[in-house]
Amino acid sequence: QVQLQESGPGLVKPSETLSLTCTVSGGSVTSTSYFWSWIRQPPGKGLEWIGYIYYSGSTNYNPSLKSRVTISVDTSKNQFSLKLSSVTAADTAVYYCARSHRYLYCMDVWGKGTSVTVSS
Amino acid sequence: VLTQSPGTLSLSPGERATLSCRASQSVSSSYLAWYQQKPGQAPRLLIYGASSRATGIPDRFSGSGSGTDFTLTISRLEPEDFAVYYCQQYDNSPEYTFGQGTKVEIK
Repeated sequence: QVQLQESGPGLVKPSETLSLTCTVSGGSVTSTSYFWSWIRQPPGKGLEWIGYIYYSGSTNYNPSLKSRVTISVDTSKNQFSLKLSSVTAADTAVYYCARSHRYLYCMDVWGKGTSVTVSS
Repeated sequence: VLTQSPGTLSLSPGERATLSCRASQSVSSSYLAWYQQKPGQAPRLLIYGASSRATGIPDRFSGSGSGTDFTLTISRLEPEDFAVYYCQQYDNSPEYTFGQGTKVEIK
């Protein structure tokens, strides 16, 4: 079955860029039925959708983060990535990658998540 | 905006749990999903399309509702069901939004 695994630094300094990668196994990012999403969850709080990418490279971002977010895809590596610029302590969270089903309008497969702390 | 109630539900194993999710505007039933999240774990999809169970989800979980009011029901709580539950809607800009969650705790 499809599995997703996040990777990247667990500590980022304020004003720098957070960079994470999600590796997809057991399936392909080129599947036409799915978008590939990033979602985050600050400590003790709820879920916030950050954005998604389609294998063609088209993206859709949460307006609240749009000015700082870039999501990209590498079909040769079966990976997609998140960059969040100018981070502050408010960006400290567990970051999840997930598969978004285009026709069921939900996230049906999730990675385990990776904790990112913004601190000097 | 999705508003979930109650914030916390204190129940005993074997009891019935009824969780509410209210949308600020009418939502197509196709666009409403429910997730379960246990401490230290990623969310797990339970229900999509307001009432369809995801693969492998036990039939004690059921979803219902339409318009602005949706409900997740757990018919008989098992020990592994104590967790936080989120509803999620698909809309425009942002495309996915979540409710703030309902915690189901052991009484």
